Amino acid sequence: ELKVEQNPLFLSMQEGKNYTIYCNYSTTSDRLYWYRQDPGKSLESLFVLLSNGAVKQEGRLMASLDTKARLSTLHITAAVHDLSATYFCAGSGGSNYKLTFGKGTLLTVNP
Amino acid sequence: DAGVTQSPTHLIKTRGQQVTLRCSPKSGHDTVSWYQQALGQGPQFIFQYYEEEERQRGNFPDRFSGHQFPNYSSELNVNALLLGDSALYLCASSSLGGDPSTDTQYFGPGTRLTVL
Repeated sequence: ELKVEQNPLFLSMQEGKNYTIYCNYSTTSDRLYWYRQDPGKSLESLFVLLSNGAVKQEGRLMASLDTKARLSTLHITAAVHDLSATYFCAGSGGSNYKLTFGKGTLLTVNP
Repeated sequence: DAGVTQSPTHLIKTRGQQVTLRCSPKSGHDTVSWYQQALGQGPQFIFQYYEEEERQRGNFPDRFSGHQFPNYSSELNVNALLLGDSALYLCASSSLGGDPSTDTQYFGPGTRLTVL
């Protein structure tokens, strides 16, 4: 059964700094997702990563996938306060299959 | 284009009662999945419906049941509520045959269930 681990679980950053969130998964996962959740809100899809070496970027966020290492990373560049949220990675056998989530990384960006 | 909608937004019940939560999928989607998110945790998969049948099920007791209607909307029923059932219940919709590079599950706003 697929297990997904994220680290760190809590991340406090200063504005303007860079940092990376790591997502390890235990068995083969057909695809890897990143979601963002604001307090009291639902999940917003950020990235879908399908293949080894896949890299996607949107604004200050960049996600990558290494299927051989069973590792995905979410890199934050020059953090701003608006990026404060909880970030989840999830693996699955496809979009029509169940998502297995990590525990999430609570990111706080301080001025 | 309406996204995934859920009702009600909030619900307060007492132990032993039964509850029904509702979900309408994003336009064009035919698959509905339900997740339970406890405070401070990642969502946990409950079950998924496709073509009005339960297609996959997570590690939840039989007290959790569901239904999908011909218009693809879905209900989640929980019987004999326990204090531990207090959580945010999320519905997600998806569809077969989409572009894999962008295909994902789209989540609704959730129903916050409190069991007293």
